[in-house]
Amino acid sequence: GQQLNQSPQSMFIQEGEDVSMNCTSSSIFNTWLWYKQDPGEGPVLLIALYKAGELTSNGRLTAQFGITRKDSFLNISASIPSDVGIYFCAGRDQGGSEKLVFGKGTKLTVNP
Amino acid sequence: DAGITQSPRHKVTETGTPVTLRCHQTENHRYMYWYRQDPGHGLRLIHYSYGVKDTDKGEVSDGYSVSRSKTEDFLLTLESATSSQTSVYFCAISEYRKETQYFGPGTRLLVL
Repeated sequence: GQQLNQSPQSMFIQEGEDVSMNCTSSSIFNTWLWYKQDPGEGPVLLIALYKAGELTSNGRLTAQFGITRKDSFLNISASIPSDVGIYFCAGRDQGGSEKLVFGKGTKLTVNP
Repeated sequence: DAGITQSPRHKVTETGTPVTLRCHQTENHRYMYWYRQDPGHGLRLIHYSYGVKDTDKGEVSDGYSVSRSKTEDFLLTLESATSSQTSVYFCAISEYRKETQYFGPGTRLLVL
């Protein structure tokens, strides 16, 4: 099935550093979503993007819907230990399906 | 947090036995989804429902069946569990014509 390419697969950073991750698709998407998953929990929605070029923030998190509609970026500024977890991108293509396509996740480790 | 519960949260069963997982929502959302999450594969859609008694297959539906007799409940059944169905199962919900999906806490299933 259709998949998203999410990178990097993992990141090891020091507390206070900024983080950037991205997702790319081979097809045009109408919606991009970013989720965070803590160990033993379900994914939690962080940011939703609906328009090409849209830039949306949620606290220290900022996400952008790429102009080509085939990519999206998530940035975390001034990372803290509780940012640890797996970040997933997800998207819905322009075909109108109710189904989302998910990336395989970026595992973030923050060293105090 | 979206009002989604999953039961049981953990289950150990033997190969060949039937297993039913339950997802319950209090949000009155039209769409409900079942995913499985495995290392290296991310989240994969098993089945979804777009209304009471209306269901459709996802990308990994073989060996699974679902039922939705009420808006608030979506059941996932493994008719004869196999070791390859050892996984973490997540339920998700979304509103009609809304792309954002909200996830439950997950059910960890071990098939011996």
